[in-house]
Amino acid sequence: QKEVEQNSGPLSVPEGAIASLNCTYSDRGSQSFFWYRQYSGKSPELIMSIYSNGDKEDGRFTAQLNKASQYVSLLIRDSQPSDSATYLCAVNGVTGGGNKLTFGTGTQLKVEL
Amino acid sequence: EPEVTQTPSHQVTQMGQEVILRCVPISNHLYFYWYRQILGQKVEFLVSFYNNEISEKSEIFDDQFSVERPDGSNFTLKIRSTKLEDSAMYFCASSEWQGEDEQFFGPGTRLTVL
Repeated sequence: QKEVEQNSGPLSVPEGAIASLNCTYSDRGSQSFFWYRQYSGKSPELIMSIYSNGDKEDGRFTAQLNKASQYVSLLIRDSQPSDSATYLCAVNGVTGGGNKLTFGTGTQLKVEL
Repeated sequence: EPEVTQTPSHQVTQMGQEVILRCVPISNHLYFYWYRQILGQKVEFLVSFYNNEISEKSEIFDDQFSVERPDGSNFTLKIRSTKLEDSAMYFCASSEWQGEDEQFFGPGTRLTVL
């Protein structure tokens, strides 16, 4: 069973702080890794994609990938109240040719004033 | 900015009835997907579709489910005989190509089976 694990939270951080979200995955053959943001009652919104080991930065967001440890993380700098949402880690193993995403349960982030 | 659209936003049906959920993927995308999310649970893959055929399907996607691209823009999910446990948010997604590519989700259809 290919699994993606996340701490469900809630993770509470003060406004302006760095939020650190973590994810581990079980399938060593996984090729592509994504972070989605999901507000309550809404659909997943793609924030970051990462495909190779190391860091990838986009504005206030940095994704980190370590394939040897099967670990993906998302850092959010200068956290804002509007960042309060559930963050979903998704992994694509491209097995079976179908491009299937396997999602974690998500980490709820609360940014407090 | 191009986006995936879905209709209806909310569908209420009686158990045993057939429903069709509709999606218009992003116009230059070639791969299409359906996912579902039961309230309070994780997003689950149902099926992927490319070149007018199913690429991969999950265990959830049994004989009561089918997908179709009836024309050049729409992508549909049909549930033939709905069950109470089919109540969920159904998300359509699309990606430009397979491999290292990003899937963009539509706003979803909330299906309620009574």
